[in-house]
Amino acid sequence: AQKVTQAQTEISVVEKEDVTLDCVYETRDTTYYLFWYKQPPSGELVFLIRRNSFDEQNEISGRYSWNFQKSTSSFNFTITASQVVDSAVYFCALSEVNYGGSQGNLIFGKGTKLSVKP
Amino acid sequence: SQTIHQWPATLVQPVGSPLSLECTVEGTSNPNLYWYRQAAGRGLQLLFYSVGIGQISSEVPQNLSASRPQDRQFILSSKKLLLSDSGFYLCAWITGYNEQFFGPGTRLTVL
Repeated sequence: AQKVTQAQTEISVVEKEDVTLDCVYETRDTTYYLFWYKQPPSGELVFLIRRNSFDEQNEISGRYSWNFQKSTSSFNFTITASQVVDSAVYFCALSEVNYGGSQGNLIFGKGTKLSVKP
Repeated sequence: SQTIHQWPATLVQPVGSPLSLECTVEGTSNPNLYWYRQAAGRGLQLLFYSVGIGQISSEVPQNLSASRPQDRQFILSSKKLLLSDSGFYLCAWITGYNEQFFGPGTRLTVL
């Protein structure tokens, strides 16, 4: 069965600190996708990144970076020099590959609430 | 560009009343559509998905139902709401690159 675990329920940091959000997943599929979403207080889920299981290269986008390690089934998310606007709940998710007509639905972790204080 | 709408944004309903939440997508055709629910303090749970008009798959047994009357319309319904139906309901569609984009959500409170 597929499962995503975000062990950190809540994290609180002071602005400009770096913070890493952990994500560990379980799947029997050899091909899958991993995602991170941000949910600000407004509630809408904002897509941040999708990673294919065949691509283990780390990715950096501005202050955001992601570390994908298949050996440990982890897909961790780091925010460098955090800002107050980064305060939100962050979800890690896993999906099978959607081949037109199949599911492709997301299995979500329970989320990590990040609070960045000024 | 693609846009996903949900209506209404907020809803307060008494126990036992009916429910109809609407999701519409613009800028794409024949999308896979999904309904998720987020209960307070919990993660998101997939309720239904649809790969085409009239095609609905249910992930969890419940008193909710879904329908897809048009290609870009996905409706979540209930004949009689329960207290446990309270939550934040999100509609999503999936791109050809397996990226799921979500609508703004409907916050439902059942009293």
